[in-house]
Amino acid sequence: EVQLVESGGGLVQPGGSLRLSCAASGVTFSNYWMHWVRQAPGKGLVWVSRINSDGTGASYADSAKGRLTISRDNGKNMVYLQMSSLRAEDTAVYYCAIDLAVSPPRGLDYWGHGTLVTVSS
Amino acid sequence: SSGLTQPPSVSVSPGQTATITCSGDKLGDKYACWYQQKPGRSPVLVIYQDDKRPSGIPERFSGSNSGNTATLTISGAQAVDEADYYCQAWDRSSEWVFGTGTKVTVL
Repeated sequence: EVQLVESGGGLVQPGGSLRLSCAASGVTFSNYWMHWVRQAPGKGLVWVSRINSDGTGASYADSAKGRLTISRDNGKNMVYLQMSSLRAEDTAVYYCAIDLAVSPPRGLDYWGHGTLVTVSS
Repeated sequence: SSGLTQPPSVSVSPGQTATITCSGDKLGDKYACWYQQKPGRSPVLVIYQDDKRPSGIPERFSGSNSGNTATLTISGAQAVDEADYYCQAWDRSSEWVFGTGTKVTVL
């Protein structure tokens, strides 16, 4: 069974930094693209970023460019989201998710339980 | 990236058909998928690549995508289908984008 477990969320001050982690199991991790999606309290889903299977290519939503960096370690079955210059509007539950297809993408087949990031002074 | 617009809410009687639309520029030229999210839970993929159901998703869920509109249909809606539903689309230029979400009420 595929499992994704996020960690690293918490309370951070505006302008601060945080690194989220996501541990994957039950899947050949190095074969698949990984994504981060966020959801502000009471709001809808927002796609944040994705990274390809070998970590050589990534893309970002406009709101994330320049402040968020996605990376992965296929040896550890981990994907990360480095967040900097955080703003109040970055407050959200952050989910990692996996797409069990490559071309064409099929969607986000499995999701973690999410980790809450709160940006506040 | 282009936004995807969904109706905020849809109501359906048990056993009837619920139709949820997702509108976006040339959406039919992209791959669309749909997610179900219940309160306090992570989203679940219910339709991928426009009209395919993942393993374990009931046959009452179906999808289509043409022109500027993707559609999720729940045939014979049940109380357990009450949830928020989000469309998502992908193309090489805009990557992934989610719709605004639709709250489905079964009553």
